[in-house]
Amino acid sequence: DAKTTQPPSMDCAEGRAANLPCNHSTISGNEYVYWYRQIHSQGPQYIIHGLKNNETNEMASLIITEDRKSSTLILPHATLRDTAVYYCIVRVEKGGKLIFGQGTELSVKP
Amino acid sequence: EPEVTQTPSHQVTQMGQEVILRCVPISNHLYFYWYRQILGQKVEFLVSFYNNEISEKSEIFDDQFSVERPDGSNFTLKIRSTKLEDSAMYFCASRDRGQRETQYFGPGTRLLVL
Repeated sequence: DAKTTQPPSMDCAEGRAANLPCNHSTISGNEYVYWYRQIHSQGPQYIIHGLKNNETNEMASLIITEDRKSSTLILPHATLRDTAVYYCIVRVEKGGKLIFGQGTELSVKP
Repeated sequence: EPEVTQTPSHQVTQMGQEVILRCVPISNHLYFYWYRQILGQKVEFLVSFYNNEISEKSEIFDDQFSVERPDGSNFTLKIRSTKLEDSAMYFCASRDRGQRETQYFGPGTRLLVL
C-alpha cells in the first residue's frame, strides 16, 4: 500500500474550516484515498473516500489533486467534537486491510 | 443505523490466561477484521476473515491468536496464553462484499494483562 504523509498536529478555531493535508506521492491508479478519524481511544470512524474526483458528504469534503499525489480533507465548520486524530489511508482494492499511520491530531479550540 | 458491537468493553486478565473477545459485525457484511492499538501507538492490522477462513494475517497474529465465526452473527478473537504485551485496545471491523466497500469499526475492547 502507498505510504501517506500527514502533519502530526494542527489547530483550528471553532466554526472555521479545518483543512487537513495528506501526501501520497506513490499512489497508483487503482488505490483509493480513505479518511478515518479516532476520537480518544474509540474505534476509528469512517469519514469519506475517493479515487479521482472530489467528494462531499454530510461530514466533510475530500479534494484530490489532478495528479492524485495529494489530497485535503475539509471540515467546513469545525466544532469542539471534531477534535480527534485524522488518518489518511491509501487502500488497494484487493485485500481490504487498512494500514494506519500516525495521523494528524486536530485540536479545535474555542 | 447498523453498527459493529464488541464485548466486553473492558477485560482484565492474568498473564497466561486465555481470553476471547467478541464482535457482532454489521448483519449483511461478509468481510471481518481485527486490529489492535497499543496505548499511544498506531492502529495495527491483525487479521482478515472471509468465507470462514483467514484471508490475510499480520506477523503479530502468531499461533497464540485465533479467530472464529461460531455462528451467523458473532466473530471472535481468542488469545490462548496472554502476555503483558497483549495489553491493548482491540477493534473489530466489517465490510460488505464489494472490494471498494468501507470498513466500519466497533468501539473496541480494552484488554489489560497483569
